[in-house]
Amino acid sequence: KNEVEQSPQNLTAQEGEFITINCSYSVGISALHWLQQHPGGGIVSLFMLSSGKKKHGRLIATINIQEKHSSLHITASHPRDSAVYICAGSQKLVFGQGTRLTINP
Amino acid sequence: DADVTQTPRNRITKTGKRIMLECSQTKGHDRMYWYRQDPGLGLRLIYYSFDVKDINKGEISDGYSVSRQAQAKFSLSLESAIPNQTALYFCATSGGQGADYGYTFGSGTRLTVV
Repeated sequence: KNEVEQSPQNLTAQEGEFITINCSYSVGISALHWLQQHPGGGIVSLFMLSSGKKKHGRLIATINIQEKHSSLHITASHPRDSAVYICAGSQKLVFGQGTRLTINP
Repeated sequence: DADVTQTPRNRITKTGKRIMLECSQTKGHDRMYWYRQDPGLGLRLIYYSFDVKDINKGEISDGYSVSRQAQAKFSLSLESAIPNQTALYFCATSGGQGADYGYTFGSGTRLTVV
């Protein structure tokens, strides 16, 4: 069983919709990272969370330590948000499978 | 220049050949990693190094070796390439203090073994 599980695996939405991607993780992961991989392949680190909530522009990431659960939200989604979003835990980055997000205009 | 540079960007090689993928960084981070990405399997850790004298196997190290030549350089070798090593390979670094701790990825090396 993967230590980090994401859902959904694929998500298609219309421009402007509020997006939520979920991540559950196992015991022993003390910090969680959210990454974004664009169609060209490049990977960018979005957030690192060990507690609470972080916001950057239209992106919001939350984490619930007790429930071992994190969510990534995108407000007012835009086609340029289309990418694969990956959550990853622990010092060596144990990756979830990724969520492929497509935002249609 | 990119913070983490991988060379080559693309490579096609024949089965049985030795190949080296190189990674250099200007972040000043001590920790460096090699991952491979396969369709449907996500990213998996091959090797990691927490400083120049520290090398550790990851989840899928068989068939690979690494060398940490300096803080800024971490190379991955395939001693005898085989077709199921065809994948997208990423080098990454991590560092920073507290809330600034983060990862930086290279652009990836697309390797095809024929």
